[in-house]
This record gives sequence, C-alpha cells and structure tokens, in this order.
Amino acid sequence: GAVVSQHPSWVICKSGTSVKIECRSLDFQATTMFWYRQFPKQSLMLMATSNEGSKATYEQGVEKDKFLINHASLTLSTLTVTSAHPEDSSFYICSATIPATGELFFGEGSRLTVL
Amino acid sequence: DAKTTQPPSMDCAEGRAANLPCNHSTISGNEYVYWYRQIHSQGPQYIIHGLKNNETNEMASLIITEDRKSSTLILPHATLRDTAVYYCIVDLRGAGNMLTFGGGTRLMVKP
Repeated sequence: GAVVSQHPSWVICKSGTSVKIECRSLDFQATTMFWYRQFPKQSLMLMATSNEGSKATYEQGVEKDKFLINHASLTLSTLTVTSAHPEDSSFYICSATIPATGELFFGEGSRLTVL
Repeated sequence: DAKTTQPPSMDCAEGRAANLPCNHSTISGNEYVYWYRQIHSQGPQYIIHGLKNNETNEMASLIITEDRKSSTLILPHATLRDTAVYYCIVDLRGAGNMLTFGGGTRLMVKP
C-alpha cells in the first residue's frame, strides 16, 4: 500500500541551529501534505497544510517564519525549524493525501530534541 | 468537522475483545467515521472507516449505530501489541482535508 516516509526519524540539535525534516510519498503523488506536532502525552496538533507549488497554509499560532515549509515536488515536502529552541522539542508528523481517493497516510514521525 | 468524545483510557485482557466507544452526536450525513491508532513514538496508523454500515477488515470491526451518533471499534482478540492510543475521527471522505485529532482512548492490553 501507499507509504509516507519521514527523515530523519530522530534528531538532536543545539539551540539556535536549524533542522530540516523531510516527508516523502513513496509510491504516489501528493499535491497536499500536512504537518502535525505532538507534545508528550498530547494529541496531534495540525501545524500547516503544504501545497505543491504554492505557499503553505499555517494554523493560528504557528509562526510561518520559524517553521518553513517547502513542497517543491509532488513527492516531497520539507519542514525546517529555524533557530530551534528547547521548547520546539517535539514529535513532528507528516501526512499525505492520495488525490484520487482522498486516503490519508501518515509518516513514521520525527522526534526533535533541542538542547 | 464533528467533534468526537472518547473515554481517555481503557484496559483489556490479552485475548479478549476490546470494545472502544466513540460518540459523535453532531455528525453530518456525509461525514465518515475513521479510526486510527498511534503506538508510542510512531505515526498514526489507519484502522478502518465507515459511513452507515458496519465494516470489518483484518484488523477490526466498526459498528455504527443506526442514528450514526456513536460507534464502537472492536478488536476481536486483543494482543499486547494492540496497546496504543486509538483515535475516532469524523471527516468528509475524499475531501483531502487534514484530520482533526481529539484526545483519543489509551488502550492498555494486559497479560
């Protein structure tokens, strides 16, 4: 079946540095991808909707200049956490929709730890 | 999207059926009921979805009440690997929308 893959699965970085997380649809083209953030023992919270070839749509309270999203191709969306701080430490999850069917698949998640 | 209500946690004995309830009293006529689960430190995994009729697949069964205001996910023979947070979500199928996650039910399967 369809698979969505994220990389890296975990990353540790120093405060002030930037981290890029990739989300790929492996066997289908995804015009829309979604980025979620999940803090410990909490549910997934939608951060932004990534649209191929256009600007991402951010949810209220999510800083677009801090969380840069690029959806340059139909199989790849990237989330860059700029100038990361310890409070950005979280589990970041992407999902992608198959346009023809509307089926939604999730990536394995990427755990970010900012020291 | 319609709001769903689930118990925050449940326990189930290994080998027994796990019945996870979900209330969605404000569901609209064209919204589907989806179930996902999330095992610790992994992305959500699709389980099953339905509109009106009961559904069954290799993972679970979904029972939707006639008025569609509630549903139950049934894991017929729970195993330790079924320990996870289970999310009930209602959404328009094919809308390409993001799914809105509620609190879910944390199912603990015990030996």
